[in-house]
Amino acid sequence: DIVMTQSPDSLAVSLGERATINCKSSQSVLSTSNNKNNLTWYQQKPGQPPKLLIYWASTRKSGVPDRFSGSGSGTDFTLTISSLQAEDVAVYYCQQYYTTPWTFGQGTKVEIK
Amino acid sequence: QVQLQESGPGLVKPSETLSLSCTASGDTIRSYYWSWIRQPPGKGLEWIGYINYSGSTNYNPSLKSRVTISVDTSKNQLSLRLSSVTAADTAVYYCARHGVQWLAAGFFDYWAQGTLVTVSS
Repeated sequence: DIVMTQSPDSLAVSLGERATINCKSSQSVLSTSNNKNNLTWYQQKPGQPPKLLIYWASTRKSGVPDRFSGSGSGTDFTLTISSLQAEDVAVYYCQQYYTTPWTFGQGTKVEIK
Repeated sequence: QVQLQESGPGLVKPSETLSLSCTASGDTIRSYYWSWIRQPPGKGLEWIGYINYSGSTNYNPSLKSRVTISVDTSKNQLSLRLSSVTAADTAVYYCARHGVQWLAAGFFDYWAQGTLVTVSS
């Protein structure tokens, strides 16, 4: 199985400041067939299902605020919230869909400092 | 707007079979792949398996011997059965739609609200 490791486990950021979450996969999730990274990011708030933010490592889902961005390739990826808002308090998960079983990172909890 | 509604018992006895259904509205089940994912209380996410409209499945090897996912296109419904459950199977179970029509690409753009299933005698 591909192991997904996120860092940090939690972070506290002031309102309006940048939040950066890292995700590392135990092997590359880059498909050579389409040159796309099979990596996605979700946001989960308490009592709610995960919400898709980013897919193909950097494609923002329609309707997701542009303060959310994804980057990286191969084994190292980053989710950036450029200007943290109160409603962004949540747990964020990365997930690889390069090969089954699809696997998730352990989650990163984002709070307001 | 796609809506996913799960149904099934919230309490299952050890060694018995967990059964959940997920009905999709606002879209046909035919043109997408569908997955089940679970989340133990306070913990992370685990992909259980997927199915497409024709019944083609792919299961997580960690659960493969106990899992069956099926689809009923006439009811726009998918189902999950997990046999021989233990307390370790206590979790919120989600059904979710894959994000690309006709492809198995495993990111999920619509999720059900989730059903907490507790395994206890």
